[in-house]
Amino acid sequence: AQSVTQLDSHVSVSEGTPVLLRCNYSSSYSPSLFWYVQHPNKGLQLLLKYTSAATLVKGINGFEAEFKKSETSFHLTKPSAHMSDAAEYFCVVSDYNNNDMRFGAGTRLTVKP
Amino acid sequence: DTEVTQTPKHLVMGMTNKKSLKCEQHMGHRAMYWYKQKAKKPPELMFVYSYEKLSINESVPSRFSPECPNSSLLNLHLHALQPEDSALYLCASSQTSGELTDTQYFGPGTRLTVL
Repeated sequence: AQSVTQLDSHVSVSEGTPVLLRCNYSSSYSPSLFWYVQHPNKGLQLLLKYTSAATLVKGINGFEAEFKKSETSFHLTKPSAHMSDAAEYFCVVSDYNNNDMRFGAGTRLTVKP
Repeated sequence: DTEVTQTPKHLVMGMTNKKSLKCEQHMGHRAMYWYKQKAKKPPELMFVYSYEKLSINESVPSRFSPECPNSSLLNLHLHALQPEDSALYLCASSQTSGELTDTQYFGPGTRLTVL
């Protein structure tokens, strides 16, 4: 069975400083990994997706994530936080062989002025 | 059109009411999904339709009844709900066959309150 752990339930940064949201996963096969963002009272929006191509994945709004198989991690980063980045972020792992998908518990990002 | 739309935005219903949630996409996607999301929790998958056929039912109670009349439209019929069913109901679609490795595009959700 696969699983995903978001290591921080809440991250607070100042505007203009770097963002790091951490995600570890376990999967028996080669996983697909996603980061989604959810602003308050909105649906989820895809930030980026890893599917065994380049290990450094660039997404929308300046976000990127690096797939590290040896560490079973897929951390999300952004060099400079903006106030509009304040939202809930979900890391998702899915597996073609099992046709299974697991959401992490979510990380709430707060951006201080 | 790259949107998934959901109506209504908000719904309040009593435990004896029957109501329906509607989801629509015009991106030519062949798979559609229903999720339930409680406050401060991740979405929980309820149903997946692939080519208008139900392919995944995650042991959802029968008071929730999905329907996919065509490839663009997905309904969720609600009957005899309980207060604990109050949640944000999200619809999503994906391009191909409903494999859970596909990228999903989400609607804004319907906020349901059961009194």
